[in-house]
Amino acid sequence: GENVEQHPSTLSVQEGDSAVIKCTYSDSASNYFPWYKQELGKRPQLIIDIRSNVGEKKDQRIAVTLNKTAKHFSLHITETQPEDSAVYFCAASIGGNNDMRFGAGTRLTVKP
Amino acid sequence: DVKVTQSSRYLVKRTGEKVFLECVQDMDHENMFWYRQDPGLGLRLIYFSYDVKMKEKGDIPEGYSVSREKKERFSLILESASTNQTSMYLCASSLAGAVGTIYFGEGSWLTVV
Repeated sequence: GENVEQHPSTLSVQEGDSAVIKCTYSDSASNYFPWYKQELGKRPQLIIDIRSNVGEKKDQRIAVTLNKTAKHFSLHITETQPEDSAVYFCAASIGGNNDMRFGAGTRLTVKP
Repeated sequence: DVKVTQSSRYLVKRTGEKVFLECVQDMDHENMFWYRQDPGLGLRLIYFSYDVKMKEKGDIPEGYSVSREKKERFSLILESASTNQTSMYLCASSLAGAVGTIYFGEGSWLTVV
């Protein structure tokens, strides 16, 4: 089946530092790439997404970059805060449907 | 605000029992999904549905079935629960048409003993 690989699986940073999480995908027809944040005991919630017609998107401290040629996309969090601590999932749409494949997740810990 | 509700947050079932996990969404979404979440494996798709009475297998359908009799409701069924089905189950929904946001329920923690 189609794969989404996500790295690293765990990431620990000091408050104020930047954090970068990377994902690769295998389906060349993928055209939608969301990122979800899941706090402990809660549901995953969309934090940012990007479509294949753009290379970068920013929302305050969060940015996502997409390289369609290389089939990889990344989440960048700047000026990290303790409340950024969570599990982050990348995902990629499969074919032309609203079917999504998720990465294995990255547990981000921001130390005060 | 989209709401996806999973009726049971925590369940403990015995091996061999039939288990029903219910999910209801209130935004008239066409698409509904069941994922399983396990540490280090992320979210894996079990089944999805694009319409009433329609279902498609995801990546790990073995041991599961689903039912979509009404647009707002998507049920996951474990015909004979086994210990390796102990997991967190997440229901989700989205609009049909252009690919877009998937909205998740709070999750159901199932323990099979």
